[in-house]
Amino acid sequence: RKEVEQDPGPFNVPEGATVAFNCTYSNSASQSFFWYRQDCRKEPKLLMSVYSSGNEDGRFTAQLNRASQYISLLIRDSKLSDSATYLCVVPGEGQAGTALIFGKGTTLSVSS
Amino acid sequence: GAGVSQSPRYKVAKRGQDVALRCDPISGHVSLFWYQQALGQGPEFLTYFQNEAQLDKSGLPSDRFFAERPEGSVSTLKIQRTQQEDSAVYLCASSNGDRGWYEQYFGPGTRLTVT
Repeated sequence: RKEVEQDPGPFNVPEGATVAFNCTYSNSASQSFFWYRQDCRKEPKLLMSVYSSGNEDGRFTAQLNRASQYISLLIRDSKLSDSATYLCVVPGEGQAGTALIFGKGTTLSVSS
Repeated sequence: GAGVSQSPRYKVAKRGQDVALRCDPISGHVSLFWYQQALGQGPEFLTYFQNEAQLDKSGLPSDRFFAERPEGSVSTLKIQRTQQEDSAVYLCASSNGDRGWYEQYFGPGTRLTVT
């Protein structure tokens, strides 16, 4: 099992739609999780951190299920500007978990 | 304030050439990371510095890859005898903490193309 696996996508949705991305991770000892956003040919930027059962920030909700080793990202009322690749991220196991382990990313395209 | 900067932004190298990629982290950030991102993939960890000490280089794909951060600020990633499979975007990130749960701020990356 790969360390971080994500829905392959792409997801093509109309403006205003609700869309959810899923991610599974292999390290059961992980304590923190992240969703990063990466626009085309740009660097990844932190979207949300998840330390307990979940986190909500405006239209974005991240949920964590430790028993199933599963993280989700829900985007409500999608905007054109939400079009990007969303990366599920978990701290690695080497050197006290300093590095980040990224999934391959899920591409979202929101159309008018 | 200034973010993480990287130079050059684009580099074309002929197979067999050596290249050096530079990273200027956010001032005062203790931790510095290098990642490699191939087309259609997520970034993959290469190496980690805490100040000037290289504490983890487990992700470096071969002994052709070498990184340094001699004064604990600017870092250079050097690739010797470049191969076509080295073509990728090389991302540098810095963090104010020494654990993975601290937010990492990424630079714009250097896009390396080996011909």
